[in-house]
Amino acid sequence: DAMVIQNPRYQVTQFGKPVTLSCSQTLNHNVMYWYQQKSSQAPKLLFHYYDKDFNNEADTPDNFQSRRPNTSFCFLDIRSPGLGDAAMYLCATSTVAGETQYFGPGTRLLVL
Amino acid sequence: SQQGEEDPQALSIQEGENATMNCSYKTSINNLQWYRQNSGRGLVHLILIRSNEREKHSGRLRVTLDTSKKSSSLLITASRAADTASYFCAKELNFGNEKLTFGTGTRLTIIP
Repeated sequence: DAMVIQNPRYQVTQFGKPVTLSCSQTLNHNVMYWYQQKSSQAPKLLFHYYDKDFNNEADTPDNFQSRRPNTSFCFLDIRSPGLGDAAMYLCATSTVAGETQYFGPGTRLLVL
Repeated sequence: SQQGEEDPQALSIQEGENATMNCSYKTSINNLQWYRQNSGRGLVHLILIRSNEREKHSGRLRVTLDTSKKSSSLLITASRAADTASYFCAKELNFGNEKLTFGTGTRLTIIP
């Protein structure tokens, strides 16, 4: 089945230790998104790619970076995680920007 | 904030009853979407309604859109225990914006 896959589902890291979260899709969608969601809050868009065109949200901290080496894969790099970065990180895709988004199951990040 | 509000923040009803959730927004939209999120999981798309549409149905779900009042509602009829989840509205604020802005969500609990 076509889907959005996120690995790992749970990630524990230490304060300040770089961590990478991955997302892959078999939907062949042009657009990929990364969201941060903290407990009982709305998903907050960090950045998105339209093909290889990278779009960063103005309030996304510099500590967060992203790579999209090909259509299928997208990575979220957190260079120096702080306690405030503990959250669920959601990857999503869409065929056309602004239309229906298909979400992965999320990666829950814990920072010790 | 361009998020708008969702109302109520939390809703508990008996199984079999109907559940209504509301979403308001502040600026013109191209489309409005509703998503469901089960606890600790990714979001699942339910319905997309465009700015020139007033009502859409999908199974037990009915979505209305009133652009003059800048509001939308999601009605779930004959609720089931499996409908227990958080429900989010998401707006594409204007055409070509390429992203969605999520509301704060309504936490729905169905009591068996």
